[in-house]
Amino acid sequence: GAVVSQHPSWVICKSGTSVKIECRSLDFQATTMFWYRQFPKQSLMLMATSNEGSKATYEQGVEKDKFLINHASLTLSTLTVTSAHPEDSSFYICSARDVGGRFNEQFFGPGTRLTVL
Amino acid sequence: DQQVKQNSPSLSVQEGRISILNCDYTNSMFDYFLWYKKYPAEGPTFLISISSIKDKNEDGRFTVFLNKSAKHLSLHIVPSQPGDSAVYFCAASEDGNKLVFGAGTILRVKS
Repeated sequence: GAVVSQHPSWVICKSGTSVKIECRSLDFQATTMFWYRQFPKQSLMLMATSNEGSKATYEQGVEKDKFLINHASLTLSTLTVTSAHPEDSSFYICSARDVGGRFNEQFFGPGTRLTVL
Repeated sequence: DQQVKQNSPSLSVQEGRISILNCDYTNSMFDYFLWYKKYPAEGPTFLISISSIKDKNEDGRFTVFLNKSAKHLSLHIVPSQPGDSAVYFCAASEDGNKLVFGAGTILRVKS
C-alpha cells in the first residue's frame, strides 16, 4: 500500500523555538496533504489542508502564522510550529491523498510527538 | 460540537467472537464514512468505507453497517483476532476532502 513517512518521529524543544515536521509520500504523488493534531484520548483534529504549489487552507481556530505549512512538491509537505509553547505539545499526524487514489482515501504518516518544555 | 461520536472508549472481546464498534454522527450532510485502525506510535490505517447510498459494505472479516435515519454506523469484526487489538476511529466526510474523526475506541481481543 501507499506509504507516508514523517520526520522526526519525536521532538523535544524549548519554549519559544520553532520546530519543522516533514511529511513525505514515498511511493506516490500527493497533490493534497492534510495535517492533524491529536491530544491524549481525543480524536484527530484537522488543522489544515495543503495543496501542492498553493497556500494551505486552515481550519477555524488554527493560527496560520503559528503553524506554517509548505507543500513545495508532490511528495513533500512541511509543518513548522513557530515560537512553540507548552500548549502546542501534541501528536501531529499528516496524511496524503494519492493523485490517482480512491475517493476520500487518505494514507497517514506515523505521526510526530512534539513536547515543548 | 462533536459531529462524530464514539461513545465507547474501550471494548474487550474474546478471540473468535464478534467485535462491534459503534459510531454516531450529527451532520446529515455527511455522505461518506470510513473506519481506520491505529496502533500505538503509528498513523491510522484505512480499513473499510461506506457511501451513504449503501447500508452495508463487507470486506473479509470486516463489515460496516450504516443506518442513515439513526445517523449511526457500526463496524463488525468476525471472528476477532488478537492482532485486531488497536484503536479504531470512525471518520466522516461531506465534501470529499476533509475527514471528521471520532475520539476512537480501544479494542482488546483476548486470547
